[in-house]
Amino acid sequence: NAGVMQNPRHLVRRRGQEARLRCSPMKGHSHVYWYRQLPEEGLKFMVYLQKENIIDESGMPKERFSAEFPKEGPSILRIQQVVRGDSAAYFCASSPLTTGELFFGEGSRLTVL
Amino acid sequence: QQQVKQSPQSLIVQKGGISIINCAYENTAFDYFPWYQQFPGKGPALLIAIRPDVSEKKEGRFTISFNKSAKQFSLHIMDSQPGDSATYFCAARGQTGANNLFFGTGTRLTVIP
Repeated sequence: NAGVMQNPRHLVRRRGQEARLRCSPMKGHSHVYWYRQLPEEGLKFMVYLQKENIIDESGMPKERFSAEFPKEGPSILRIQQVVRGDSAAYFCASSPLTTGELFFGEGSRLTVL
Repeated sequence: QQQVKQSPQSLIVQKGGISIINCAYENTAFDYFPWYQQFPGKGPALLIAIRPDVSEKKEGRFTISFNKSAKQFSLHIMDSQPGDSATYFCAARGQTGANNLFFGTGTRLTVIP
């Protein structure tokens, strides 16, 4: 049973470009969460999605960031017009239930030059 | 603001010793307190978790102590081994009906032989 799959594992972008990070949850999981981890810091909640619905986006920056979890395919975290401060590790987690254990992927490390 | 405060930031323990990491929270609506272990370049993995109706939970060498009145909880690693060297994060789950976790800032544990 494959775990949470994230890709790309490493992404380099220049300032002003777009970054797209993908997350495929574990089989049978319909709840997806995105977290951001800055160097030497803990994980900060960004957004919680179920299929075709954003449940809680209270941790998402208001501009440039968006997330989706379509009926078919992976969840996508999209960052438009990236800036150096967006450089971080972005982790996706999934759970089978609203209050179930979160299983994390190995993260996507974004570097903005 | 930081919803969950964690200390120490780093910890060095001799092999066979006891590692103790502490966390404190303010929000009494938190209802689930997991600890995650993260190795470099990997995603966090659930280690052990506790609910506020229990004061202690033990799984192998790992024990969580929970003090509801003080709003504090701690992780004890008995007989610490070099393989335990990792970053440990405490977390707390948000309000009822939500599953997003608020993480502490992490403790980097080094167990020296």
